[in-house]
Amino acid sequence: DAKTTQPPSMDCAEGRAANLPCNHSTISGNEYVYWYRQIHSQGPQYIIHGLKNNETNEMASLIITEDRKSSTLILPHATLRDTAVYYCIVSLTGTNAGKSTFGDGTTLTVKP
Amino acid sequence: DVKVTQSSRYLVKRTGEKVFLECVQDMDHENMFWYRQDPGLGLRLIYFSYDVKMKEKGDIPEGYSVSREKKERFSLILESASTNQTSMYLCASSPLFRGVDGYTFGSGTRLTVV
Repeated sequence: DAKTTQPPSMDCAEGRAANLPCNHSTISGNEYVYWYRQIHSQGPQYIIHGLKNNETNEMASLIITEDRKSSTLILPHATLRDTAVYYCIVSLTGTNAGKSTFGDGTTLTVKP
Repeated sequence: DVKVTQSSRYLVKRTGEKVFLECVQDMDHENMFWYRQDPGLGLRLIYFSYDVKMKEKGDIPEGYSVSREKKERFSLILESASTNQTSMYLCASSPLFRGVDGYTFGSGTRLTVV
């Protein structure tokens, strides 16, 4: 799996958009970008994933650059409950996913 | 609601003890995983399994073994617990043909070895 690099921490004001970056310069053509988050004292929870097109769901949007070497997770209107550690993971899909590496993630703190 | 259940939320064991961490899922998933989580090191894969009685080593298998006798249950075993195995342990499961988006995690077991 390709390695990812994320800033260790970020702050965001409540109600504003939170933009969490991830670098994955060694991503291969068939690897997807996945985002998870982990709220304190819980297991990680899936947010969104994509291959090369931008994706949006009820939780967030994912913007992947054209060269696929980086991506940004966007929480459009952050709330206090979005305070969590956010993990960016690059992995194959399907039966080749096998083991996937979760790095250190970004600790997002949403402030009132 | 689908669930991955880890038998203990907190566990304190003595050095040298044999420790069993249990994980049960009710989703009929083929894949099951054990991770440990330490500050500054993220989640590191210990072992995973694609099927009953099948296991594969992850990134840090040393000092651990696993057992999967039934599809729904995946046990992590510390043969002789040591203080450097003090950590948060997370179990996850996923369907066989799903990628990382299909993972469901348990709430974790915080193990302290004294």
